[in-house]
Amino acid sequence: DTEVTQTPKHLVMGMTNKKSLKCEQHMGHRAMYWYKQKAKKPPELMFVYSYEKLSINESVPSRFSPECPNSSLLNLHLHALQPEDSALYLCASSQGSRDYEQYFGPGTRLTVT
Amino acid sequence: GEDVEQSLFLSVREGDSSVINCTYTDSSSTYLYWYKQEPGAGLQLLTYIFSNMDMKQDQRLTVLLNKKDKHLSLRIADTQTGDSAIYFCAAPAGDTGRRALTFGSGTRLQVQP
Repeated sequence: DTEVTQTPKHLVMGMTNKKSLKCEQHMGHRAMYWYKQKAKKPPELMFVYSYEKLSINESVPSRFSPECPNSSLLNLHLHALQPEDSALYLCASSQGSRDYEQYFGPGTRLTVT
Repeated sequence: GEDVEQSLFLSVREGDSSVINCTYTDSSSTYLYWYKQEPGAGLQLLTYIFSNMDMKQDQRLTVLLNKKDKHLSLRIADTQTGDSAIYFCAAPAGDTGRRALTFGSGTRLQVQP
């Protein structure tokens, strides 16, 4: 199984809502990532989890809250988002020893109204 | 940190070869990557090259690395309409402890029938 899955595929939420994005991989990878991608732009790193511990937070606003319940799952909790947070949110994973070879999920297209 | 640059657009006819170019700044990058993103989808790892190699071939894909000029290219032989996508060059972000990738701006490849 070489797949990273993400749910939901699409999400529309108001600025006062609370929602969560989910990511799952069963490749035994020990690092997982959240990226944000705006239209016609490259992905921008948000968070990195390594062995279920948060290792990188790229100065992301606190309205984004990551969680790694176990080595296969990664969540991104969303609260009080702004319209400018609308984007494609991509999850990726990599093996501990080949950290730069990242495998991406299909993404969640988020629209904040 | 690492800076990665690419040209924005390339148009070719079906059956021709495509060459997508990328430049990077950090000569200590150990691996360099090519990702493909189809519309509305996540990123697919296409291929990568280790910094001690000059060339890597994988079926229709040929990666060339010129370390002196910090130049990377991806050649797609016999380009098909299914190759139409955005192609991102990526390199480690410069701090090996961060386990992060820096992506180029992406090259949109348009294949005309």
